[in-house]
Amino acid sequence: ELKVEQNPLFLSMQEGKNYTIYCNYSTTSDRLYWYRQDPGKSLESLFVLLSNGAVKQEGRLMASLDTKARLSTLHITAAVHDLSATYFCAVEAGANSKLTFGKGITLSVRP
Amino acid sequence: DGGITQSPKYLFRKEGQNVTLSCEQNLNHDAMYWYRQDPGQGLRLIYYSQIVNDFQKGDIAEGYSVSREKKESFPLTVTSAQKNPTAFYLCASSAPGQGNEKLFFGSGTQLSVL
Repeated sequence: ELKVEQNPLFLSMQEGKNYTIYCNYSTTSDRLYWYRQDPGKSLESLFVLLSNGAVKQEGRLMASLDTKARLSTLHITAAVHDLSATYFCAVEAGANSKLTFGKGITLSVRP
Repeated sequence: DGGITQSPKYLFRKEGQNVTLSCEQNLNHDAMYWYRQDPGQGLRLIYYSQIVNDFQKGDIAEGYSVSREKKESFPLTVTSAQKNPTAFYLCASSAPGQGNEKLFFGSGTQLSVL
């Protein structure tokens, strides 16, 4: 059974500083997705990583995938309040390309 | 505007009652999915459908039922057999050949037990 772990589960960030959060998974896959969720809202797709070494950047967020280590990182540059949300990673694996989600990391940016 | 519409936004269920959550999409997507989200947890797949009149169980199908009579509609019924139905339910769809790369989510339905 595929397990997807995210850590830390909660991160309090100071405005203007850099941070990295992690997503690791237990079985072979080269397709990983990052989503953002605001409280009580739906999921918004952030990044689609489809191969080893893939790197995607959007604004202050940069995601990368290391399939050999079974690890994805989401790097936050100069955190701002607007980035406060819960971030989920999801790994695609199995015959039906099923997505397995991590529990999410809740980021809170303080002044 | 194209998108996925879930209704209602909030739903309350009495003991022993079946309730149905609506999911409609006008994106012309073949595949549709239902996920359940519990507080502090990731999403778990309940049912999915790749084509009209066909659907498969996900990881937590017990106590739920679905139908796919029309391409644009994929309603989820939470039956009385689901003993712990309180959760946030998300519907999603994707286009042919796009799979998870282009997964669109609805705005969700919060189901609570009275």
